[in-house]
Amino acid sequence: SAVISQKPSRDICQRGTSLTIQCQVDSQVTMMFWYRQQPGQSLTLIATANQGSEATYESGFVIDKFPISRPNLTFSTLTVSNMSPEDSSIYLCSAYRGFNEQFFGPGTRLTVL
Amino acid sequence: SQQGEEDPQALSIQEGENATMNCSYKTSINNLQWYRQNSGRGLVHLILIRSNEREKHSGRLRVTLDTSKKSSSLLITASRAADTASYFCATAQGGSEKLVFGKGTKLTVNP
Repeated sequence: SAVISQKPSRDICQRGTSLTIQCQVDSQVTMMFWYRQQPGQSLTLIATANQGSEATYESGFVIDKFPISRPNLTFSTLTVSNMSPEDSSIYLCSAYRGFNEQFFGPGTRLTVL
Repeated sequence: SQQGEEDPQALSIQEGENATMNCSYKTSINNLQWYRQNSGRGLVHLILIRSNEREKHSGRLRVTLDTSKKSSSLLITASRAADTASYFCATAQGGSEKLVFGKGTKLTVNP
């Protein structure tokens, strides 16, 4: 299995600010994804982080709000821009390395005041 | 969009009992995976069952898959208090590795 770390693990932010979340995988992976989990809810896919090109966003998510970078095969960042209280969620990255199993980071718990 | 639907949404049992959670989905899948999440933390991968498999075991876990009914079940035998968590099924559709998650079952195992 892949070991995935995220930074920060949690943060409390003010409305209107932005937060960048980092995701680091301990080995090269083919695909990385970002998910959001709103309080008491299940996970929803935000986007696929593509290495060397623009991320692929799911319906309801846009690049201006959630810019994503993936400069190499082990690292990705997600920025939550111009935050509002509705953005309070757990944000999780995941990695896929083949064999169909997808592994998740520990998540970043974001609270927006 | 959410495809998987787990039931029950919440389950409370005594230590030592078995816990069964069900998951239904709507479209054809490559595989179905079960995850555990403790107290809003990261997801732990439990088991993956491929669309051509019917049953799979891993320790105290038993997963079944019925593609004709588009459903899966997760059985945890001899449950322990440490099994208290939320359990999610997730499906990968077509040629995509993107996962669609169910709503989850919140399991409480009372000591």
